[in-house]
Amino acid sequence: DTAVSQTPKYLVTQMGNDKSIKCEQNLGHDTMYWYKQDSKKFLKIMFSYNNKELIINETVPNRFSPKSPDKAHLNLHINSLELGDSAVYFCASSQTPDSYGYTFGSGTRLTVV
Amino acid sequence: AQSVTQLGSHVSVSEGALVLLRCNYSSSVPPYLFWYVQYPNQGLQLLLKYTSAATLVKGINGFEAEFKKSETSFHLTKPSAHMSDAAEYFCAVRYSSASKIIFGSGTRLSIRP
Repeated sequence: DTAVSQTPKYLVTQMGNDKSIKCEQNLGHDTMYWYKQDSKKFLKIMFSYNNKELIINETVPNRFSPKSPDKAHLNLHINSLELGDSAVYFCASSQTPDSYGYTFGSGTRLTVV
Repeated sequence: AQSVTQLGSHVSVSEGALVLLRCNYSSSVPPYLFWYVQYPNQGLQLLLKYTSAATLVKGINGFEAEFKKSETSFHLTKPSAHMSDAAEYFCAVRYSSASKIIFGSGTRLSIRP
């Protein structure tokens, strides 16, 4: 009964491949996010969806494409993976876009070789 | 640019000693402020938040933080460190109800026996 769950937890893949990371929340929240945490632990927001609608789209290569089939799910698809994409990707959710705190998933560690 | 700064990427204290993790924000308007904790290989967990109510905010696990407008600070403290407090701590800020949460660069807390 994990609140925000991501799959897979670990992902090792070769350069040039296409991969997806899935996120699901069972909190009934309207808003979901993708954050990227680099090797120095710096966290940066990538995307946010509110009720399936994209509301935040940071400066991210267009190889990254989020998809929200419903408000409980937010997936991240990455095309033509590069070495620099190696990072931990966190999904998070909040009740609304202006809620005070987020609930985070446990992360997906992506390693591109 | 609006930002949040954490002084010290690594803090080490003895078990039972005071924990002080520093966070400063840059804004003339008091923002919403948060502290999150990340245990190894886990997602972020909200420790506490300041949302313009009481300036001294108590959180989970015995942590508290004080909002000081004159110093634009929101330092995190705990009177007596436990070994289980070893983790990465992130200060985060939101400058309006409509804006995204911005994270600091994190402070790794180590506890010496």
